[in-house]
Amino acid sequence: DAMVIQNPRYQVTQFGKPVTLSCSQTLNHNVMYWYQQKSSQAPKLLFHYYDKDFNNEADTPDNFQSRRPNTSFCFLDIRSPGLGDAAMYLCATSRDWGVDLRGGETQYFGPGTRLLVL
Amino acid sequence: DQQVKQNSPSLSVQEGRISILNCDYTNSMFDYFLWYKKYPAEGPTFLISISSIKDKNEDGRFTVFLNKSAKHLSLHIVPSQPGDSAVYFCAASEVDSSYKLIFGSGTRLLVRP
Repeated sequence: DAMVIQNPRYQVTQFGKPVTLSCSQTLNHNVMYWYQQKSSQAPKLLFHYYDKDFNNEADTPDNFQSRRPNTSFCFLDIRSPGLGDAAMYLCATSRDWGVDLRGGETQYFGPGTRLLVL
Repeated sequence: DQQVKQNSPSLSVQEGRISILNCDYTNSMFDYFLWYKKYPAEGPTFLISISSIKDKNEDGRFTVFLNKSAKHLSLHIVPSQPGDSAVYFCAASEVDSSYKLIFGSGTRLLVRP
């Protein structure tokens, strides 16, 4: 009963070669998030969508883009991956934001895609 | 500039004993705190949370304590079980950016049988 699905689980790409990671959800949640987690570090929010409204974190590099063609799917595009972009990329969803986080509802995470850049 | 810090990367505890995982934060605007648990090859899952208007929240074997003056929270697991072995992340959000969770780097808990 996977609720947040990420494919592939492992992705190998070459330095500078564009790569796309995908995320889908069966929860019908309004909000989808992308996090980057480097080894032994905290997950860091890159951006999120509230429905079709895209919200970029101020310190997210321009190299990272995202698309959300419909409620269920969200993609992370890395235009020119560098060695420093090797990380675990986590997708998450939440029904709403703000009030829901405080009401106990929270973000539901996928298993992540580990990206290796050669 | 880490706003949420988990200074112990790992913790080992005997089964049946108490596990105490600690978390410190620097942002006084944080008003909601969460703990997530992560098993290998799975995404983090929500465990327990606490609002800044409380100093304690309990859910079965799990209790979170919040000390606002010290900007410190802790997760207590009593009694610890081998199935609790996982990485535990502390996270926080602030009222003006309540969609956004700021995570700590995690503590790996090993519960020895």
